[in-house]
Amino acid sequence: EPEVTQTPSHQVTQMGQEVILRCVPISNHLYFYWYRQILGQKVEFLVSFYNNEISEKSEIFDDQFSVERPDGSNFTLKIRSTKLEDSAMYFCASIHGLAGGWGEQFFGPGTRLTVL
Amino acid sequence: GDSVTQMEGPVTLSEEAFLTINCTYTATGYPSLFWYVQYPGEGLQLLLKATKADDKGSNKGFEATYRKETTSFHLEKGSVQVSDSAVYFCALSYQGGSEKLVFGKGTKLTVNP
Repeated sequence: EPEVTQTPSHQVTQMGQEVILRCVPISNHLYFYWYRQILGQKVEFLVSFYNNEISEKSEIFDDQFSVERPDGSNFTLKIRSTKLEDSAMYFCASIHGLAGGWGEQFFGPGTRLTVL
Repeated sequence: GDSVTQMEGPVTLSEEAFLTINCTYTATGYPSLFWYVQYPGEGLQLLLKATKADDKGSNKGFEATYRKETTSFHLEKGSVQVSDSAVYFCALSYQGGSEKLVFGKGTKLTVNP
């Protein structure tokens, strides 16, 4: 069964360092998402991506964040200069994206980012 | 803005007990409602959904009914199993646009044999 994969499963970094979180969405999906969950808090939407551009982003997704689909399979989230408050579980999701929606969002297992 | 509120966990039940996890929402429009489940070490999986008022979503013995009048979407199961132990997330989304999900905090369920 096709699935969304994410690497690494756990990333530890020093404050101020750049990190890249990687996701491989399901191959025929068209819409891609990043969400994050700070420990003990809600899963929060960060950004959605379609047709090689951002379709929507939240207030959290500031200039420190960027997303890219560098090839036909990977979807990456880059944090340019990490802060302590970026420590969270980051989930990637994808959806087939039929017009009219209601397709199921498929989630990856998450990357736990720890900023020291 | 839109938001989802779930009952605080954790919830601990014995096998075959009845489960209710409360979920209420605040929405500016007419969203679809979802329950996602996360088993240990895995990603979130769609459990069930309802797209309009009075719809009932069901899957694997779980049910939830979209109640517009009470803005609720409570999750129920008549007889839980140990394998149901997981974190359950209530969420909403709007058709069209980016279809981003707005999640509740999640409720951890532990079922003991």
